[in-house]
Amino acid sequence: GAGVSQSPSNKVTEKGKDVELRCDPISGHTALYWYRQSLGQGLEFLIYFQGNSAPDKSGLPSDRFSAERTGGSVSTLTIQRTQQEDSAVYLCASSSWTSGRAGETQYFGPGTRLLVL
Amino acid sequence: AQSVAQPEDQVNVAEGNPLTVKCTYSVSGNPYLFWYVQYPNRGLQFLLKYITGDNLVKGSYGFEAEFNKSQTSFHLKKPSALVSDSALYFCAVRDMTGGYQKVTFGTGTKLQVIP
Repeated sequence: GAGVSQSPSNKVTEKGKDVELRCDPISGHTALYWYRQSLGQGLEFLIYFQGNSAPDKSGLPSDRFSAERTGGSVSTLTIQRTQQEDSAVYLCASSSWTSGRAGETQYFGPGTRLLVL
Repeated sequence: AQSVAQPEDQVNVAEGNPLTVKCTYSVSGNPYLFWYVQYPNRGLQFLLKYITGDNLVKGSYGFEAEFNKSQTSFHLKKPSALVSDSALYFCAVRDMTGGYQKVTFGTGTKLQVIP
């Protein structure tokens, strides 16, 4: 497809279960970002990938959160032992950033709405 | 550390009136500034950006923003608001200090255009 896709679009899970959220970036985009948007809150940066490496993991809220990216394309955000406070919309974005071109625009996916009961 | 502030949680404006959504920033290096819009039940969409050059940047849907270095501001403006402009607006800043491009978003401002 032409845009960033995310799956699932909605996920309801029970407290303590693990969840995996998937992001498929725009083809050829080397940079990939994960954000969290909670009700009434702004966008909270989680992690950023350049290719398959993650130079900045500073936004991950706890060690229950992890992310990987393989083949410079699809990324998976995993939340282990989910808690109710993890309920939010998880957004993925990609950009075609290369060194020195900091003005690249991010293109966002529709998000995954996670509800932890 | 870089940061972005959007001081207004909500802005109400009558249709046809000019609108302004405020944004101030803090970076250690040169700022790269962005505005994104989120319509209800839809993803974020890029509106406009400032990288360098003219301080007045024009973007999609008739929006523009003015970069003011002395006031460290990047306010979003539109001469005549439409009801369809009602949405959540996010300001973002990117700072190249450190060699990678972390983007920091503001908390968002809800724009309500009243018919």
